[in-house]
Amino acid sequence: EDKVVQSPLSLVVHEGDTVTLNCSYEVTNFRSLLWYKQEKKAPTFLFMLTSSGIEKKSGRLSSILDKKELFSILNITATQTGDSAVYLCAPGGSNYKLTFGKGTLLTVNP
Amino acid sequence: EAGVAQSPRYKIIEKRQSVAFWCNPISGHATLYWYQQILGQGPKLLIQFQNNGVVDDSQLPKDRFSAERLKGVDSTLKIQPAKLEDSAVYLCASSFGAGGTTDTQYFGPGTRLTVL
Repeated sequence: EDKVVQSPLSLVVHEGDTVTLNCSYEVTNFRSLLWYKQEKKAPTFLFMLTSSGIEKKSGRLSSILDKKELFSILNITATQTGDSAVYLCAPGGSNYKLTFGKGTLLTVNP
Repeated sequence: EAGVAQSPRYKIIEKRQSVAFWCNPISGHATLYWYQQILGQGPKLLIQFQNNGVVDDSQLPKDRFSAERLKGVDSTLKIQPAKLEDSAVYLCASSFGAGGTTDTQYFGPGTRLTVL
């Protein structure tokens, strides 16, 4: 059975802090790993990672994948209150079926 | 570009009643997914369609859940009869193809179901 473990489950920081969210996985026929941000609605897409060691960046967010050690990290620098959300990690296996972790609840206080 | 549309947004029913959810994917997206998200958990795939065919329904509780995508566009998910543990947000997502390095899933706003 495919497994995804995200850590920490919750995190409280102050604006301006840098955070690192972790995702470890065991997925059959791994193809790619996706990160989503979920506020009080639908998950919104952040990154898709397919190759090890290649960092993807979007503004203050970045992510990297290690296919040998089976993990990914999501970094957010200079956090803002608008970054408060649940961050979901979802590796894709056969048929690109996504298995979601429980998510990391990030709270950024002013 | 219009996103994934879902209705209703909220539904409250009593246990043993029936309920149906509707999803219209992004135009041109061949693949459609239904997920169940229980509070505090990540979304769990219930069923995946490619056009009007089922690709994966291994986690769909078939004794009470059914889904169809007859014309390969919009889709309906039904629960009959509902149980208390079906209380969750039901998310619909769509993607352009059947998978690939550029095949990102885009989610609709979800339907929040409460079973009393």
